[in-house]
Amino acid sequence: SQQGEEDPQALSIQEGENATMNCSYKTSINNLQWYRQNSGRGLVHLILIRSNEREKHSGRLRVTLDTSKKSSSLLITASRAADTASYFCATLTGGYQKVTFGTGTKLQVIP
Amino acid sequence: DGGITQSPKYLFRKEGQNVTLSCEQNLNHDAMYWYRQDPGQGLRLIYYSQIVNDFQKGDIAEGYSVSREKKESFPLTVTSAQKNPTAFYLCAAEGGYSNQPQHFGDGTRLSIL
Repeated sequence: SQQGEEDPQALSIQEGENATMNCSYKTSINNLQWYRQNSGRGLVHLILIRSNEREKHSGRLRVTLDTSKKSSSLLITASRAADTASYFCATLTGGYQKVTFGTGTKLQVIP
Repeated sequence: DGGITQSPKYLFRKEGQNVTLSCEQNLNHDAMYWYRQDPGQGLRLIYYSQIVNDFQKGDIAEGYSVSREKKESFPLTVTSAQKNPTAFYLCAAEGGYSNQPQHFGDGTRLSIL
């Protein structure tokens, strides 16, 4: 089964609104990463948050991590049509570099 | 221009045929990965390699094979033993150190004729 589970599976918002996506995982992690995937393309790394960090910002992106609840959230503020994509969380666990991806949230931003 | 190059973008396989997907990187990264993505799904790890001449099976290695003869190259062969090969295949590379993101190619879409 997947280590990470994103919620919701799909999200549709108007341009200018904020979008929030959640990720829950099952086992202890070294770090958690968020990626974006445009249709038919590869994944693009957005933010990496380490297990000892609680919040991280990058431009219009804000990621939080709650290790006690084994969950993370990705907030995109003032969304744009170009933000339309699928968003995946990925967790790094164990002593070797094995990253496990969740099932993704499909975001649609309506102009 | 640094990055991961996957080729071809589209590939068609006949029944009983082996096909090889190419992945080349010029990022000088030690670790490379192959993932499979089915429609509406996340990524599942097929094989990974942390160093030249060494590779490990991932979660769904059956019916696939890889080689890592050069740091820059990590080709994936989809063998005839893989009964359901239709999927989007993604290659990634990573610096090999802790807390580094993965860099992805643009994928190869494999279909059965």
